[in-house]
Amino acid sequence: NAGVMQNPRHLVRRRGQEARLRCSPMKGHSHVYWYRQLPEEGLKFMVYLQKENIIDESGMPKERFSAEFPKEGPSILRIQQVVRGDSAAYFCASSPIAGSYNEQFFGPGTRLTVL
Amino acid sequence: QQQVKQSPQSLIVQKGGISIINCAYENTAFDYFPWYQQFPGKGPALLIAIRPDVSEKKEGRFTISFNKSAKQFSLHIMDSQPGDSATYFCAATGSRLTFGEGTQLTVNP
Repeated sequence: NAGVMQNPRHLVRRRGQEARLRCSPMKGHSHVYWYRQLPEEGLKFMVYLQKENIIDESGMPKERFSAEFPKEGPSILRIQQVVRGDSAAYFCASSPIAGSYNEQFFGPGTRLTVL
Repeated sequence: QQQVKQSPQSLIVQKGGISIINCAYENTAFDYFPWYQQFPGKGPALLIAIRPDVSEKKEGRFTISFNKSAKQFSLHIMDSQPGDSATYFCAATGSRLTFGEGTQLTVNP
């Protein structure tokens, strides 16, 4: 039973390029969450998605960032025209159902470096 | 109001000692308080969690103490081991998971 999978694990982009981060939730999980972790900081919530729906995107910057979770395939976090401040670890988590008491299982993260 | 404050930022403990990490919150809507453990290069993993109707929860060497009136909760690691060296995050959830800033724990042999 594979855990949450994220790829790539490491991604290097030059300023102005696009970054695409992928997340495959655990089998049977239909809720996906994205978090960003800056060096020496905690994880900050970005967006919560269910299949084909964005439920809560209140933590995501209004510009350049977008997320989707299509009916088929992984969830995608897309960052357009990356800047150096986007350099961070991006974690995806999944849960089987919504609600406070349900554990979110985290993937290994994608480390994005913007040159 | 969505913040969770965590201290200390870093902690060094001798093998066999007790590690204590503290967290405080403001939002009374939070209703679930998990602790996550993160090793370098890995994602966070749930360690132990508590609901606000319970004052203490123990799992092995790990204990959460919860003080609802003070809006504070803490993680105690008894008989700390070098393998416990990691970053620990407290968190709180209502509609979404809010993390503390993290505590880097080092257990010296």
